[in-house]
Amino acid sequence: GAGVSQSPSNKVTEKGKDVELRCDPISGHTALYWYRQRLGQGLEFLIYFQGNSAPDKSGLPSDRFSAERTGESVSTLTIQRTQQEDSAVYLCASSLGYRGGYGYTFGSGTRLTVV
Amino acid sequence: SQQGEEDPQALSIQEGENATMNCSYKTSINNLQWYRQNSGRGLVHLILIRSNEREKHSGRLRVTLDTSKKSSSLLITASRAADTASYFCATDVDSNYQLIWGAGTKLIIKP
Repeated sequence: GAGVSQSPSNKVTEKGKDVELRCDPISGHTALYWYRQRLGQGLEFLIYFQGNSAPDKSGLPSDRFSAERTGESVSTLTIQRTQQEDSAVYLCASSLGYRGGYGYTFGSGTRLTVV
Repeated sequence: SQQGEEDPQALSIQEGENATMNCSYKTSINNLQWYRQNSGRGLVHLILIRSNEREKHSGRLRVTLDTSKKSSSLLITASRAADTASYFCATDVDSNYQLIWGAGTKLIIKP
């Protein structure tokens, strides 16, 4: 597609429910990144994919967080048993390569609110 | 650890004035990038400057890089209300597979 697409754009969920966030990267972008951004804060790295492989999962805050990617396409970030502290905007970005030399293209994010 | 640190954290100026934001970093870089974020949603890539470049222009944006001081500045000339946003610098380093992000500068342009 022309840009990085994230869905849903907004999600309100009850504490304890599971949520799944989706990211459609730009076609041909091999690298895909998930970030979390709390209100007024900077970017918190969660996970990175090169193709469908995730070399580093150390940014995931807890074992309630998981992510997968199909080939060099769609990625889903799943949060199980959501907690109020999970409320944030979840941003996805893709890049031509895994190094920063290409720049990142970001999606518009999913604003998650846990009530 | 945070590589890029923007300065100031917040900046408020009148429309038409120039806005300057600075970014300092700690380790050697391959390139440094500036991004803009409106209203807490997706970031937009503004400009990339490589370690062997000293200055780069894009429209009303001017970026400088001083590798000896490990710092960069972003100048927005003739600011407009639409420039109101948060601006982030990010560095590409050999030892890391992803960009390292600063905390951002919040820029407010007053009409």
